[in-house]
Amino acid sequence: DTAVSQTPKYLVTQMGNDKSIKCEQNLGHDTMYWYKQDSKKFLKIMFSYNNKELIINETVPNRFSPKSPDKAHLNLHINSLELGDSAVYFCASSQGRLQEQYFGPGTRLTVT
Amino acid sequence: GIQVEQSPPDLILQEGANSTLRCNFSDSVNNLQWFHQNPWGQLINLFYIPSGTKQNGRLSATTVATERYSLLYISSSQTTDSGVYFCAVERGGTALIFGKGTTLSVSS
Repeated sequence: DTAVSQTPKYLVTQMGNDKSIKCEQNLGHDTMYWYKQDSKKFLKIMFSYNNKELIINETVPNRFSPKSPDKAHLNLHINSLELGDSAVYFCASSQGRLQEQYFGPGTRLTVT
Repeated sequence: GIQVEQSPPDLILQEGANSTLRCNFSDSVNNLQWFHQNPWGQLINLFYIPSGTKQNGRLSATTVATERYSLLYISSSQTTDSGVYFCAVERGGTALIFGKGTTLSVSS
């Protein structure tokens, strides 16, 4: 069974569209994260939720809105997509905030 | 904010060789993790090691928290070890800060 899963794996869309990425973890963890990896492979935290509560909200355009319906799910909705949003988005989870993190397979978003 | 520097940025090895990857960080940390990103993009947690030494098969890691560095040792490297190795640290329960990574290429 996949521990942290994301859908879709690939997402190609046009500028101005709205899209969502979904993440689910079956590890029983209470903390989930969204990271962005740019074309130079630099990884940066975007958001973190602990028990459905937003605890980290880095400097991210407000076009990005995370939602955590329950501890096992964390979705990312992006409005008015821009070329610069093209990247790989990773979901991750951990049991507690200072524990090891497990990553999903990533979603490669291409905005044309 | 805390700075994380990894060296070397690139490393090319022949199969069977050993290597040491280094991670320096600019302040005390509560959390340090090593990850491997394989050529297919999957990020795999190798070690959670805020201090001390751990070993897992051919890989081992040591963190000297008082001197603000961590080392990842790869012995008898295999082609499947190729990819990017990231060090990430966290201070004060905020967020993991990633280094720029070391790209390892192992040829047969």
